[in-house]
Amino acid sequence: AQSVTQPDIHITVSEGASLELRCNYSYGATPYLFWYVQSPGQGLQLLLKYFSGDTLVQGIKGFEAEFKRSQSSFNLRKPSVHWSDAAEYFCAVGQNTGTASKLTFGTGTRLQVTL
Amino acid sequence: SAVISQKPSRDICQRGTSLTIQCQVDSQVTMMFWYRQQPGQSLTLIATANQGSEATYESGFVIDKFPISRPNLTFSTLTVSNMSPEDSSIYLCSVAGQKNTEAFFGQGTRLTVV
Repeated sequence: AQSVTQPDIHITVSEGASLELRCNYSYGATPYLFWYVQSPGQGLQLLLKYFSGDTLVQGIKGFEAEFKRSQSSFNLRKPSVHWSDAAEYFCAVGQNTGTASKLTFGTGTRLQVTL
Repeated sequence: SAVISQKPSRDICQRGTSLTIQCQVDSQVTMMFWYRQQPGQSLTLIATANQGSEATYESGFVIDKFPISRPNLTFSTLTVSNMSPEDSSIYLCSVAGQKNTEAFFGQGTRLTVV
């Protein structure tokens, strides 16, 4: 069965600092990988996704993520964090058997941004 | 991307009662899903809502507790039956994007059972 691990429950960064959120997955083949953001009281917004090809993918709001097969990781990065980035971030894996939209989520990382 | 509307956005219910949550999509979609997000937790898939057939439930979820309807390709409902305080969660509807390679989410229904 597929699974996702987000080792960091809570991260605090200063505005303008760089950010990296960790995600490790377990899946028998090349998975479909996603990062979502959930702001307080809001639904989930898709930041970016990886299926194949270039292992560095660009997303919305200046985020990027790098797929590393050897490490089973899909870490999310942003060069300079803005106060509005404070939210909960979820990494998710989807099956590559035609149902990539059926997701298994990690436990999430709550990002706090200090001014 | 699809626009997904969930109703109600929040509700406070008495234990022992049932609540039906509606999910409306602005375009026809093949696959729809229902997730539960318990307080401070991640999202857990409850079931896949199949148009024209019974929903497919994940381990730990049963139809008697979470009956689901999918009458057409743009609408689904999830009922939380015989509620207890442990059912207090956010319930989210999700739909598959083109080619089933991504998922979009509604704003969620925040349910509190007292």
